[in-house]
Amino acid sequence: DAMVIQNPRYQVTQFGKPVTLSCSQTLNHNVMYWYQQKSSQAPKLLFHYYDKDFNNEADTPDNFQSRRPNTSFCFLDIRSPGLGDAAMYLCATSEGLKAYTFGSGTRLTVV
Amino acid sequence: AQTVTQSQPEMSVQEAETVTLSCTYDTSESDYYLFWYKQPPSRQMILVIRQEAYKQQNATENRFSVNFQKAAKSFSLKISDSQLGDAAMYFCAYYTGTASKLTFGTGTRLQVTL
Repeated sequence: DAMVIQNPRYQVTQFGKPVTLSCSQTLNHNVMYWYQQKSSQAPKLLFHYYDKDFNNEADTPDNFQSRRPNTSFCFLDIRSPGLGDAAMYLCATSEGLKAYTFGSGTRLTVV
Repeated sequence: AQTVTQSQPEMSVQEAETVTLSCTYDTSESDYYLFWYKQPPSRQMILVIRQEAYKQQNATENRFSVNFQKAAKSFSLKISDSQLGDAAMYFCAYYTGTASKLTFGTGTRLQVTL
């Protein structure tokens, strides 16, 4: 089945140690999104790619970066994770409004 | 800026009964879309139902239906014949092509009891 896949499902990283989360899709959607969701809160958009065009939310910290090397893959890089960055990170894709599809998420723990 | 408000942090319903989850939103746009997403404990966000703002008819999907009141900027979700599998966090979300992103409400946690 076509889908959005996030790896790993759980990630533990040390305070200040760079970490990369990955997302891949088989839907061939042109837009890919990264959301941060803290416990019992709404998902918060960090940034999105429309094809190769990168769109950063104004309040996304500089500590968060993203790469999209091709249509299928998108990465979230956290340069120096702090305790406050512990959260679920959700990747989503869309083709306009068609099938806005989420992955299962990566739960990041910072120790 | 668009905002989405869900005023009920938690709701509870008995199995087979009906429950309504509330959502209001604020926008200056005339063309937009509204969604209800379900997020079970497994955490994957699943689309429940969508509504185009230009359509007057309320969307329905099996046991799920909405009451869309455009003038009041209200978008409630009704779940009929509630099932144990309906227990989850429900998020109301707003989308406009201008911003090209979903804006979520804070969510309503639905419990389904026997």
